[in-house]
Amino acid sequence: DIQMTQSPSSLSASVGDRVTITCRASQSISSYLNWYQQKPGKAPKLLIYAASSLQSGVPSRFSGSGSGTDFTLTISSLQPEDFATYYCQQSYSTPRTFGQGTRLEIK
Amino acid sequence: EVQLVESGGGLVKPGGSLRLSCAASGFTFSNAWMSWVRQAPGKGLEWVGRIKSKTDGGTTDYAAPVKGRFTISRDDSKNTLYLQMNSLKTEDTAVYYCTTSTAHIVVVPAARGPTTSYYYYMDVWGKGTTVTVSS
Repeated sequence: DIQMTQSPSSLSASVGDRVTITCRASQSISSYLNWYQQKPGKAPKLLIYAASSLQSGVPSRFSGSGSGTDFTLTISSLQPEDFATYYCQQSYSTPRTFGQGTRLEIK
Repeated sequence: EVQLVESGGGLVKPGGSLRLSCAASGFTFSNAWMSWVRQAPGKGLEWVGRIKSKTDGGTTDYAAPVKGRFTISRDDSKNTLYLQMNSLKTEDTAVYYCTTSTAHIVVVPAARGPTTSYYYYMDVWGKGTTVTVSS
């Protein structure tokens, strides 16, 4: 199985900050990488698919990059509604696997 | 409106069984690949398994912890996805989400002929149903 490792596991930031979350795959997954946002008590929401494609309706302050084993999710200017937990997920092979999550908290 | 609504969760004893349902609406369910994802209390997301559309073979794949105990099926006439869970363990306690598995298709021209890549992602999610396995 492909292991996905996110860093950091938690992060404190302020409104307006630029934030980057990293995801590393245990083997090359080309661009088969998705990012999700989850708020407490809610279902996850797709943000980015195929490593860098922005899902319809997602604000342009979210962006994704990377290929192979190393990927990043960047939020260019944090908004109050962005404080949540973020997960990466590979779709290169089954079983699909998620990173352990990055909790983004208000500083 | 595209919608997924899970039901069937509840409290069950270890070794028991439960069947979850996911009612789909607002899209052509029969064409959709569907997945189940779960989340144990205070933990991260865990993929449970997936079923392809009947057009694509209707085959299933499962995560190792549930393989042989869980079965995913679909009834396209009822626009409903199912998760049959047998031999339940306390570690199966979680919120279970039903999701669509949609493909972003990229065709790249090449000298020897075009190559097609399918980038799957889970774009529509239900609100989840809670399963608690406890004696």
